[in-house]
Amino acid sequence: GAVVSQHPSWVICKSGTSVKIECRSLDFQATTMFWYRQFPKQSLMLMATSNEGSKATYEQGVEKDKFLINHASLTLSTLTVTSAHPEDSSFYICSARASQKHEQFFGPGTRLTVL
Amino acid sequence: QQQVKQSPQSLIVQKGGIPIINCAYENTAFDYFPWYQQFPGKGPALLIAIRPDVSEKKEGRFTISFNKSAKQFSLHIMDSQPGDSATYFCAASMGQAGTALIFGKGTTLSVSS
Repeated sequence: GAVVSQHPSWVICKSGTSVKIECRSLDFQATTMFWYRQFPKQSLMLMATSNEGSKATYEQGVEKDKFLINHASLTLSTLTVTSAHPEDSSFYICSARASQKHEQFFGPGTRLTVL
Repeated sequence: QQQVKQSPQSLIVQKGGIPIINCAYENTAFDYFPWYQQFPGKGPALLIAIRPDVSEKKEGRFTISFNKSAKQFSLHIMDSQPGDSATYFCAASMGQAGTALIFGKGTTLSVSS
C-alpha cells in the first residue's frame, strides 16, 4: 500500500508555544490530505480537509486560526497548532489520497502533549 | 447525527474464532466502504474496502459482506489470531473526489490464545 509519514511522532511543548506537524506522502502524489484528532479509546474526528494549492476546509467547531494547515505541494501538508494549551493534547493523524481515488492512507500519528 | 453506526463496541473471541463487526449507514449517496485496523499508538491501516456494486469481497482472512438494501456492511475475520487484537473502524464516503471518510466509533477486538 501507499506510505504516509508524519513527523514528529511525539512532541512535548509548553503552554503558549506553537507546534508544527508534517505529513508526507512518500510514494504517491496526494491531491487531498486530511487531518484528524483522536482522543483515547475514541474514533477519529476530522478536523480539516486540504487540497493542494487551496485553502483548507475546516470542520464545524475547529478554529482555523488555531490549527493552521498548509498543503503547498503534492507530497507535503503541515498542521501548526498555535498557542497550544493543555486541552490541545491529543493524537493527531493525517491521511492522504491521490486524485480521483477513494483509498485514503494514514500516517502513523503524532502524540502532542502540552504542559 | 452519526452517519455510520458500528457495533459491537468490544468483542472477545478465542483463537480460531470468527469475529463479526457490523456497520450501518444512512446516507444512500455513500459509495465506498473501507475497514481500518488500528493498534495502540499507531495510525489506522487500510484492511479492505468494498463498493456497493458487489455483495462480498475477500482479502486473505478478511471478508466484507455488503447489503445495499439494508444499508449495512460487516467485517468477518476468519481463523482469528491473537495478533488480530486491535481496534477496527468501518467508514464510508461519497464518490466525489476529495470527500472525507465518515468513521464509525470503533470496535475493540481481543483474541485470546
